[in-house]
Amino acid sequence: LAKTTQPISMDSYEGQEVNITCSHNNIATNDYITWYQQFPSQGPRFIIQGYKTKVTNEVASLFIPADRKSSTLSLPRVSLSDTAVYYCLVGDARGRRALTFGSGTRLQVQP
Amino acid sequence: EAQVTQNPRYLITVTGKKLTVTCSQNMNHEYMSWYRQDPGLGLRQIYYSMNVEVTDKGDVPEGYKVSRKEKRNFPLILESPSPNQTSLYFCASSLSQGRGRPYGYTFGSGTRLTVV
Repeated sequence: LAKTTQPISMDSYEGQEVNITCSHNNIATNDYITWYQQFPSQGPRFIIQGYKTKVTNEVASLFIPADRKSSTLSLPRVSLSDTAVYYCLVGDARGRRALTFGSGTRLQVQP
Repeated sequence: EAQVTQNPRYLITVTGKKLTVTCSQNMNHEYMSWYRQDPGLGLRQIYYSMNVEVTDKGDVPEGYKVSRKEKRNFPLILESPSPNQTSLYFCASSLSQGRGRPYGYTFGSGTRLTVV
């Protein structure tokens, strides 16, 4: 399984764009990159998933360079409610392989 | 509403008293999994199931059992709970992971278990 490395924590202010980068140097050809958000005492919530280039949905964008050894989750104009832990996962698309959650990035949004 | 339902939400029990945490999903998902979350250790997978009657160990299976007799249910069984199993437990489900891409998980709300 590809191991992921993320910053432990980040701080931001309301209205700013936040970019969280995840490193996954040994990502495999069939692996996808998925990001989850978790609030305290709640289950993680799927945010976005991608394979290469750029993916955008209503809440975030995911940027993946050509070598796919890293990815960046971009949250536009964060609010206080975006304060949470964000996990980057690299998933094996070929079979069952467990999606291993790393330590995640704790984002604190200040007013 | 599409969801994963876990019960109970909170449970305090004594060492050695068998317990079962239930998990049910209404999305016709093939894949189900159990995680435990502990401070400083993140989310660790206990067991998973690819489909009915197909289960396998995750990263921390010791002290746990699971069964998958029906597609919608995936109970977690602690035959003889110990204090080191005090944790926050999450059940998750998704479409099959073998369809060319890993589908996102839907997680339950969690079960906070305390073993004294």
